[in-house]
Amino acid sequence: LAKTTQPISMDSYEGQEVNITCSHNNIATNDYITWYQQFPSQGPRFIIQGYKTKVTNEVASLFIPADRKSSTLSLPRVSLSDTAVYYCLVGEGIYGGSQGNLIFGKGTKLSVKP
Amino acid sequence: SQTIHQWPATLVQPVGSPLSLECTVEGTSNPNLYWYRQAAGRGLQLLFYSVGIGQISSEVPQNLSASRPQDRQFILSSKKLLLSDSGFYLCAWSFSQGNQPQHFGDGTRLSIL
Repeated sequence: LAKTTQPISMDSYEGQEVNITCSHNNIATNDYITWYQQFPSQGPRFIIQGYKTKVTNEVASLFIPADRKSSTLSLPRVSLSDTAVYYCLVGEGIYGGSQGNLIFGKGTKLSVKP
Repeated sequence: SQTIHQWPATLVQPVGSPLSLECTVEGTSNPNLYWYRQAAGRGLQLLFYSVGIGQISSEVPQNLSASRPQDRQFILSSKKLLLSDSGFYLCAWSFSQGNQPQHFGDGTRLSIL
């Protein structure tokens, strides 16, 4: 399983861009990188997924360097409502040899202040 | 669009009592289904997953069991609850093809007294 390492916590202020980096040095060829957001007492919510380079949707951007050993989730202009725990998962899925995308660590607790 | 329903939202049970949590998915066929548990202040622990009716894979030995009697129904059960079974239980689904993200229900907060 590709193990991931994220900062335990981060602080930011409203309106700032937040970048959360995840390290996954032993990522496998078929592994995808997936990020989730979780609010207290709710299930995680899928944010974004990518394999290489850059992926952008209406919520966030995901930057993946060529060696794929890390990835960065970028949240533009955060608000108080972005305060949550963010999880980085790396894996191929049930049918592949790597099920790391089913393994949630402790994530990064982002606190956005006014 | 697809939706996932999980109930009840909260549950208080005495030690030694049985448990049945139900999860259903609408809007898709043959989804992969998952049960997770989250202890207070910790990450999610994968308990079971299923790729089809009657097919259950267990990730950790425990006091719980899972069943999938219908394509879009996933049930988490226990014959006798322990104090250590307390936690936040989450059901999730994903498309069965390839590497697909999971979509979670709202969870059940289980307290054992």
